[in-house]
Amino acid sequence: SQKIEQNSEALNIQEGKTATLTCNYTNYSPAYLQWYRQDPGRGPVFLLLIRENEKEKRKERLKVTFDTTLKQSLFHITASQPADSATYLCAPADDNYGQNFVFGPGTRLSVLP
Amino acid sequence: NAGVTQTPKFQVLKTGQSMTLQCAQDMNHNSMYWYRQDPGMGLRLIYYSASEGTTDKGEVPNGYNVSRLNKREFSLRLESAAPSQTSVYFCASPSRDRSNTEAFFGQGTRLTVV
Repeated sequence: SQKIEQNSEALNIQEGKTATLTCNYTNYSPAYLQWYRQDPGRGPVFLLLIRENEKEKRKERLKVTFDTTLKQSLFHITASQPADSATYLCAPADDNYGQNFVFGPGTRLSVLP
Repeated sequence: NAGVTQTPKFQVLKTGQSMTLQCAQDMNHNSMYWYRQDPGMGLRLIYYSASEGTTDKGEVPNGYNVSRLNKREFSLRLESAAPSQTSVYFCASPSRDRSNTEAFFGQGTRLTVV
C-alpha cells in the first residue's frame, strides 16, 4: 500500500524566512499532488495542486515542486508570517481518487515573530 | 453555497451506544469520503463512496458502517461505540473537475467515547 511521509512533525522558523516542507511517497505513481492547510479545530483547506508534468507551481508566496523520479514534493512559503502557522498536509492523488485519496501525517509549522 | 456540512459538531457517547454522523454536500460531487484524525496519526480513510449507490472500505473500516443515501448525503454509523473510536471525524468531497481538482472538507465532528 502507498506510504506518505512528511519531513517533520513540527517546524519552527523566524518570521520573514522561507519555510520548506517535504512530502515523500512510496508504492504509488500519482497523477498530481495536493497541499492543504489545517488550522486547529478546523477541516483541511486546499491550497495548491501540481500535476506530474509540472515541475513547479506558484501562488502568491507559495511554491510547490514535484519530482516524480524522487517521489517527492517540496512546499515553500516565502516571507513567512505568524499567520502562516498551521499544519500542512500533502495528498498524492489521481483522477480516479478511490482508496488512494490519502494524506500525509502533516507538518505543524510555527512562524515566530 | 455551504460546501460540506457535518452534524453534530460535538458528541459524547458511552461505550456500547450507537450514533450516526451526518454529512451533506451541495456541490453536486460524485465522491464523498469519511476520515478520522488522531494526534500523530494524520487523516486515516474509513470509507469512501465514488458515486451514489456505491461504498468501499478504506484503511480503517472496522467498527463503522456507511450509507450513501443520495448524491448529497453520506452518513457514518457507529453501531457499538468503543473508547478507541474517540477521534475527530471529517467528511470530504473531492471535485473531479480537471480544471479545478480539490477536496472540500466539513468542519469535523469531535467524538468522545467514555
